[in-house]
Amino acid sequence: DTGVSQDPRHKITKRGQNVTFRCDPISEHNRLYWYRQTLGQGPEFLTYFQNEAQLEKSRLLSNRFSAERPKGSFSTLEIQRTEQGDSAMYLCASSLEAGVFYGYTFGSGTRLTVV
Amino acid sequence: EDKVVQSPLSLVVHEGDTVTLNCSYEVTNFRSLLWYKQEKKAPTFLFMLTSSGIEKKSGRLSSILDKKELFSILNITATQTGDSAVYLCAVFSGTASKLTFGTGTRLQVTL
Repeated sequence: DTGVSQDPRHKITKRGQNVTFRCDPISEHNRLYWYRQTLGQGPEFLTYFQNEAQLEKSRLLSNRFSAERPKGSFSTLEIQRTEQGDSAMYLCASSLEAGVFYGYTFGSGTRLTVV
Repeated sequence: EDKVVQSPLSLVVHEGDTVTLNCSYEVTNFRSLLWYKQEKKAPTFLFMLTSSGIEKKSGRLSSILDKKELFSILNITATQTGDSAVYLCAVFSGTASKLTFGTGTRLQVTL
């Protein structure tokens, strides 16, 4: 499979617990993005990496959220002390550096439910 | 703040009908506009438009961009039940590091 992979596909957690999601991008793509999508809304940008450098973070990314891409390949998104408002689909996407000309490829997402 | 607005929010049509989905945008330093189809999970890429007035086509789907009036349309002819999905419009702007999405149009095609 040469697409973008996300793990897990679903996660149910109790409020206050920490969760971590993983994204494996397409191997030759050096840009990796995280988006969040709530029901009935379009995806909202959270953060992006070029190789291992995190170049931009949205105001949506509170200090409970942290993302890493340690070797410029896979990435992790951690949410600490989860709240019910964190329930959403977390989408990862990757692109070549000139993504503006080719667009992104999205993964299937991780659906988080905080109970 | 960049803004992308889609209309209608939802639409129900009969198989065989033609539909037009609308997307308008207000962004700083427009670079390109993209259309995605989202069924249950990941959005899948349909079109990227950068130049005004040039229609992109793929089978029964086509799209065109008007950079003067700041909108795009997505047309689907001879709709099929497999076209039922949420159609998302998104714009690259500024440094083009991120996409700003609209809320999507939910299309349901019935027999």
